[in-house]
Amino acid sequence: DAGVIQSPRHEVTEMGQEVTLRCKPISGHDYLFWYRQTMMRGLELLIYFNNNVPIDDSGMPEDRFSAKMPNASFSTLKIQPSEPRDSAVYFCASSLWPGKENSPLHFGNGTRLTVT
Amino acid sequence: GQQVMQIPQYQHVQEGEDFTTYCNSSTTLSNIQWYKQRPGGHPVFLIQLVKSGEVKKQKRLTFQFGEAKKNSSLHITATQTTDVGTYFCAGRGGSNYKLTFGKGTLLTVNP
Repeated sequence: DAGVIQSPRHEVTEMGQEVTLRCKPISGHDYLFWYRQTMMRGLELLIYFNNNVPIDDSGMPEDRFSAKMPNASFSTLKIQPSEPRDSAVYFCASSLWPGKENSPLHFGNGTRLTVT
Repeated sequence: GQQVMQIPQYQHVQEGEDFTTYCNSSTTLSNIQWYKQRPGGHPVFLIQLVKSGEVKKQKRLTFQFGEAKKNSSLHITATQTTDVGTYFCAGRGGSNYKLTFGKGTLLTVNP
């Protein structure tokens, strides 16, 4: 099992540019989560999907952020336009049904985003 | 919304000393999970606690879930340099599948 795969690992962009982060969850996991990690705010849940459908996007900071899951094996998180305060590590995680005992989140290696 | 507080924020110990991190939730939790993140890495699942008062052990690590299911702790006995990293608790409340993370405790171990 390759685990959760995220790309790119690092992204450096200028303010105002569009940024797209990509995620491939573990095959068979029907829950997918996007988290953002910063020193100040820790790990924040942005949005999560069940069976490709967004269930809770209350953590998405503002309209500049959007996430899609067109199929069970791919999700994107887009920031347009990007701002310096968006600089963070963005993690994608997947899991089986969270109500199942011992159904942990499996995190990808993350994308470190720097907006200058 | 649900908040999960974790203390201390940092802990530096000498190798061989014990270490404890504490987690408190503003609401009753259905379960709590613990993760470890090595420097530069991603969070890795350690354990899940579900029952009130539950205690689980993994070698030198002991995890507890409070009777009221609002607090938890992780205790490491005789720390080793391989224990270095940030330890996060993460709580889930009710039927909501959102997992709310504490800010973590960064453990450093002096050999």
